[in-house]
Amino acid sequence: GAGVSQSPSNKVTEKGKDVELRCDPISGHTALYWYRQSLGQGLEFLIYFQGNSAPDKSGLPSDRFSAERTGGSVSTLTIQRTQQEDSAVYLCASSPDRGRNEAFFGQGTRLTVV
Amino acid sequence: AQSVSQHNHHVILSEAASLELGCNYSYGGTVNLFWYVQYPGQHLQLLLKYFSGDPLVKGIKGFEAEFIKSKFSFNLRKPSVQWSDTAEYFCAVNEGTGGFKTIFGAGTRLFVKA
Repeated sequence: GAGVSQSPSNKVTEKGKDVELRCDPISGHTALYWYRQSLGQGLEFLIYFQGNSAPDKSGLPSDRFSAERTGGSVSTLTIQRTQQEDSAVYLCASSPDRGRNEAFFGQGTRLTVV
Repeated sequence: AQSVSQHNHHVILSEAASLELGCNYSYGGTVNLFWYVQYPGQHLQLLLKYFSGDPLVKGIKGFEAEFIKSKFSFNLRKPSVQWSDTAEYFCAVNEGTGGFKTIFGAGTRLFVKA
């Protein structure tokens, strides 16, 4: 597709379950970001992948959160033992190069932990 | 660490009123600056960006922003808003050199009354 694709668009899960969120970036984009959007909190940076460099994981809120990017393309964000405070919209963005290019966002995955 | 502050969380204006949304950032080095917009039900998209040169940048839909280095500010302006400008606006910053991790502000929700 032409844009960043995220799946699922909505996910309802029970507290304590693990979830996986998927992001397909725009083909050829070397940079990939995950952000979390909560009401009134803006966009919270989670993790940043750039090419083959080690990812910047400085925004991951706890060790229950992890992400990988396979083959420099598709990325998966995994949340283990979900908690109610994990409920938010998880946004993925990709960018063609470092810094000076805009980030192209997907529609997001709305995660609800019940 | 970088941070981005948006001073107004909610703004309500009548059509034809002028708009200015404040944005300040904390990083003292070379920065790239962005404003993104999220219309209801849509994904985040770029409104305008500043990298270097003329500190007054113009974006889509009549928006402009001015980079004032001495004030660490990048305020967004529009002389006359329309109902269709109702959206959430996010200021974002990344470093001009180095990690290029993009940090977003908390966002400003703009509601324009018809």
